[in-house]
Amino acid sequence: EVQLVESGGGLVKPGGSLRLSCAASGFTFSSYSMNWVRQAPGKGLEWVSSISSSSSYIYYADSVKGRFTISRDNAKNSLYLQMNSLRAEDTAVYYCARECSSTSCYGAPDYWGQGTLVTVSS
Amino acid sequence: DIQMTQSPSSLSASVGDRVTITCRASQGISNYLAWFQQKPGKAPKSLIYAASSLQSGVPSKFSGSGSGTDFTLTISSLQPEDFATYYCQQYNSYPLTFGQGTKVEIK
Repeated sequence: EVQLVESGGGLVKPGGSLRLSCAASGFTFSSYSMNWVRQAPGKGLEWVSSISSSSSYIYYADSVKGRFTISRDNAKNSLYLQMNSLRAEDTAVYYCARECSSTSCYGAPDYWGQGTLVTVSS
Repeated sequence: DIQMTQSPSSLSASVGDRVTITCRASQGISNYLAWFQQKPGKAPKSLIYAASSLQSGVPSKFSGSGSGTDFTLTISSLQPEDFATYYCQQYNSYPLTFGQGTKVEIK
């Protein structure tokens, strides 16, 4: 069974840092691209960042570029999001999501974690 | 960036109704379109990829269609467990973008 479990969320002051983790199990993690997607309270879904299976390709939303860093450790089956210079508008539930790897669905998110809440407030 | 526009933003429907949600892309995205369902306080659930293919385990009452810029999600016979918010997302190019969501409520 595919499982994605996020952790690392919490309350942080503006300008602070936080590192989110996503522990993957039930599939060959090293074969899949992964995404971070966030959802501010009462708002819609917003894509944050993507990383390819071998970390060769990395993409960021403009809203986080230069402040957030996505990474992965395939030996530990883990995905990370280092968040620096946090702002109030970064307050959201952060989800990790796996991208489908087969030819027919390549690039489409197929499994999601339960999310971890990040609150940026003084 | 590709803008995704869903309509309506919300709708009220009864159990057994056929419901259709529309998603329009600001430029052509071929069939690189996914649909998700999200219930309050829960993570999104993937329903459809490549505009019309059901994810594994998703019931056939859900169907998707479209290509290019115009797409639809149809629920053939609405059941109580289908009341949720639905999102489309294009994965044709970065930045990946979502529609604003369509909330399906009980009439």
